[in-house]
This record gives sequence, structure tokens and C-alpha cells, in this order.
Amino acid sequence: KAGVTQTPRYLIKTRGQQVTLSCSPISGHRSVSWYQQTPGQGLQFLFEYFSETQRNKGNFPGRFSGRQFSNSRSEMNVSTLELGDSALYLCASSLADRDSNEQFFGPGTRLTVL
Amino acid sequence: GDSVTQMEGPVTLSEEAFLTINCTYTATGYPSLFWYVQYPGEGLQLLLKATKADDKGSNKGFEATYRKETTSFHLEKGSVQVSDSAVYFCALSPAYGNNRLAFGKGNQVVVIP
Repeated sequence: KAGVTQTPRYLIKTRGQQVTLSCSPISGHRSVSWYQQTPGQGLQFLFEYFSETQRNKGNFPGRFSGRQFSNSRSEMNVSTLELGDSALYLCASSLADRDSNEQFFGPGTRLTVL
Repeated sequence: GDSVTQMEGPVTLSEEAFLTINCTYTATGYPSLFWYVQYPGEGLQLLLKATKADDKGSNKGFEATYRKETTSFHLEKGSVQVSDSAVYFCALSPAYGNNRLAFGKGNQVVVIP
């Protein structure tokens, strides 16, 4: 079974631009979560989508948004990029049923904002 | 809110040494606890997990026991190898159906031959 895939793997943008990152979950997984990883703040939860609905949201500004499609694939968008948005963005998928809350992570998208 | 605390600083040790990384948590209710490992340039891999008090998670020689009385989930391995060099993260998930993982800061482990 294929793992979680994220595209692109690397991105370079300039301040003020916007960016869209994509995540394809493991087949059959309905929940997709996004995390930001930086050296200073560590791993921080952005949001979770389940059956095309945002189920949980972290403490990030409204410039960070996401969505999930009917095939469970998810995208996250960051508008008006700032230098501090440079980070590794990780996507994780899970079955999200009562017997398993294990999350499987993708390799991440490395975003650099210049 | 829910939080995870890991011991500060990198851990450097010789091959075949004993490894322990401390992890304590603050949470309401009965969280699930996890250890994830991250190799350079890669995402996170689940190393082990425990979903209720006194559970012991184990994988690849690593072990951790869910201690509710001390709110801890320390990671141990009896004999490390160079290939164990990576960053290790302790994490908690508040409850079933809630996939909001809270992570510790992580510990860089370097194993010297």
C-alpha cells in the first residue's frame, strides 16, 4: 500500500506570494492533518480535515487555510507569505476510527520564503 | 492545554550503550501516547505507541511504558546502533477521534561507533 505523498517536495517563494501544497493520504484513510515544523517552534498542528470538513484547527492566522476533496486528498494554502512561514510542512493521514488513531506522515514539503 | 515536555539537548552516546529519553505530559482525560522518529530529510515515522495506562509500547528494541501516576512515557533502548541516530519526538493525542497531536521539542540522538 502506498504511503502518504506530498507535492511538491521543495518550494521557493518570495514574500507576499501565495502557495498551495498538496497531500495524498493512504488509500482508505479519511482524516488528513497538517503540521508546521520549524527549528524554533518545533512541530505545530495546523488543522485536520475529515470527510471534507475541517474538524480541528490550531492557532495559526487566517492566511493558512486548507480543504479536502471527496477522494480525501487535501491541499493547504498560505497567502501573503512571510519570511517566518519558511518551514517543513508535514501532512499525516489516519483511519480515524475508534480502534486506531495512528497517524502516518508524508515526507513533507520544504517551503523557503525569500 | 495539552502539552509534552522532553528533556533538553542532544544525546550523544557510544554504540551498544543504553539509551533513555525522558518524556512527561500534561493532559486531561486519557490521552494516547506516541514516540516518532525522524531521519534526516524525511518525515516522521511512528516508532511505538500506548493507548492506556500501564501499556508498554515496543518496536525495534525500543520500549516505553505509559505511566499515568507520573504522567510519563520515557523511551528506552538497551543497546543502540549507529543506525538509531535520528531525532526522536514524544507526542500525545487527546482522545480517540481527535487527531490533534501535541509534540515535544524532540531530541537529537547521535550514536558514535
